[in-house]
Amino acid sequence: EIVMTQSPATLSVSPGERATLSCRASQSVSSNLAWYQHKPGQAPRLLIYGASTRATGIPARFSGSGSGTEFTLTISSLQSEDSAVYYCQQYNNWPPITFGQGTRLEIK
Amino acid sequence: QVQLQESGPGLVKPSETLSLTCTVSGYSISRGYYWGWIRRPPGKGLEWIGSVYHSGNTYDNPSLKSRVTISVDTSKNQFSLNLNSVTAADTATYYCAGHLTGLIDYWGQGTLVTVSS
Repeated sequence: EIVMTQSPATLSVSPGERATLSCRASQSVSSNLAWYQHKPGQAPRLLIYGASTRATGIPARFSGSGSGTEFTLTISSLQSEDSAVYYCQQYNNWPPITFGQGTRLEIK
Repeated sequence: QVQLQESGPGLVKPSETLSLTCTVSGYSISRGYYWGWIRRPPGKGLEWIGSVYHSGNTYDNPSLKSRVTISVDTSKNQFSLNLNSVTAADTATYYCAGHLTGLIDYWGQGTLVTVSS
């Protein structure tokens, strides 16, 4: 099983600033890495797939990078509505489908 | 537009079986895709429970120690989850999902299931 580890667990950033979230895989997942945004009471929303491709309708302030075992989600010019839990997920080698434990992003 | 909707009891007693159904609209599940279940316990992260292919082949998370049964009913365009011998640790919001590879393409809105006597 590929274990996904996210850091930090919680991130507090001011509006307009940049947030950088990290995700590490226990073995290479190539570029088969997705990022999801999850708000209370809603279904997770796909932000990024293929490590760096924005999903349909996702604003350009969300960007993903990395390959192999190290990945980053960057949210530039943070807005209040970006407050959520963010998950990375590998889909290179399943089953099982595995997620990171999540990073809670708080907007100050 | 593909939509998924979970249904089932919101309260299950310990040691009993949790049963949920997902109704798919906007796509015939017999055409293909994997259909699965993912949960989020309170205060914890997302956990994949298992998936079923439209043909009926199933894949589940070894961490759930074979307590999972996932089945598909193409005549009703639904798929179902049975999780037996539940404990309080199985309290979670349960999401049904659709995926072609391991990338989740479609999500339901989620349903909270509480395990309590």
